[in-house]
Amino acid sequence: GAGVSQTPSNKVTEKGKYVELRCDPISGHTALYWYRQSLGQGPEFLIYFQGTGAADDSGLPNDRFFAVRPEGSVSTLKIQRTERGDSAVYLCASSLTFGSAEQFFGPGTRLTVL
Amino acid sequence: GDSVTQMEGPVTLSEEAFLTINCTYTATGYPSLFWYVQYPGEGLQLLLKATKADDKGSNKGFEATYRKETTSFHLEKGSVQVSDSAVYFCALKAGGEGGATNKLIFGTGTLLAVQP
Repeated sequence: GAGVSQTPSNKVTEKGKYVELRCDPISGHTALYWYRQSLGQGPEFLIYFQGTGAADDSGLPNDRFFAVRPEGSVSTLKIQRTERGDSAVYLCASSLTFGSAEQFFGPGTRLTVL
Repeated sequence: GDSVTQMEGPVTLSEEAFLTINCTYTATGYPSLFWYVQYPGEGLQLLLKATKADDKGSNKGFEATYRKETTSFHLEKGSVQVSDSAVYFCALKAGGEGGATNKLIFGTGTLLAVQP
């Protein structure tokens, strides 16, 4: 079956612009996660959804970052007034249930802020 | 806070050599431990996991044992292949299986390059 998909695969934007990154989880997975991976680092947790609600958004770096999952499936990560430091690969993952050990990762969106 | 420390790479080995990638962790409670692998051009994949002390996770010839006394989860393989070349990430999920948090905390990754 289809895995986690993310679009776009690459996004180049200018400082100060607004961007949206999309994640389509595995069908039937109720939990969805966003991580950010900077060059040479491991992924860092941003936010986690159980169904439609954000169960844990403690990893969002500041109020320029926001994520939604209005129907409990597709999620969008939104970044306002982008900064060069936001450049990274943004990873999405999903798991079958809350507490399920295995998170399945998408290929990521590489964001470059010029 | 919770954290994972893994050995820096790159690790360069010849085919059929023995592999060890060290991983230690700091966590409150009883975390679950994982190794993820990222092959060139692909997304992160779960390689193996262990959810309690003394558990051994294994997959594709790789093994790691959850050692609570040394807070370690070292990855080993007896005979590496060129196709094992990838970046390996050690990770923990705090609180153990079904715990209150589902977020993964990753190490910085170790690049393994296996030469023929």
